[in-house]
Amino acid sequence: RKEVEQDPGPFNVPEGATVAFNCTYSNSASQSFFWYRQDCRKEPKLLMSVYSSGNEDGRFTAQLNRASQYISLLIRDSKLSDSATYLCVVTPNFNKFYFGSGTKLNVKP
Amino acid sequence: DGGITQSPKYLFRKEGQNVTLSCEQNLNHDAMYWYRQDPGQGLRLIYYSQIVNDFQKGDIAEGYSVSREKKESFPLTVTSAQKNPTAFYLCASRPNRDGIYGYTFGSGTRLTVV
Repeated sequence: RKEVEQDPGPFNVPEGATVAFNCTYSNSASQSFFWYRQDCRKEPKLLMSVYSSGNEDGRFTAQLNRASQYISLLIRDSKLSDSATYLCVVTPNFNKFYFGSGTKLNVKP
Repeated sequence: DGGITQSPKYLFRKEGQNVTLSCEQNLNHDAMYWYRQDPGQGLRLIYYSQIVNDFQKGDIAEGYSVSREKKESFPLTVTSAQKNPTAFYLCASRPNRDGIYGYTFGSGTRLTVV
């Protein structure tokens, strides 16, 4: 079983739409969670950390559900520039971070 | 500006050749990592180092070697023993503290076997 699983998508949404991605993880001892954004043929860049109480950064909201072992990312008012692959990252300790395969988002005009 | 520099951006390797990928950071981060990304797949950990002169194997270390002689530098050698080296290689670093700190990545090296 993979450490982290994501729906690969693509999610095709119009500009202005709200879209949500989920990511499930297998290790219940996981301690830290992150969402990264990766543009085509570029390196991943940290989008936001995910805190136990949930957190928001502008149009982006991240949630953690420890009981069901998933994290989510909600994007409101989608922009064309949000088109990218979103990677879920989980770490059970501080030595290894496990990456999901990513969810591709296409925002259409 | 602080950051991680990977070089070269593109690298072509002949069969049976060893090649070394460079990774340098000026973020004063203790921990450094090498990942490999194949199309449509997640990142897989090759090696990591939490302190100078020490490193650990990741999930796919076979056919690779590393050194950590300086805090700023963590070069990766792809040896001829690596059967399928064509991939996008990413170096990352982070402070060696609690897990609230995510990775900072370099811009990557694309390695192709010709």
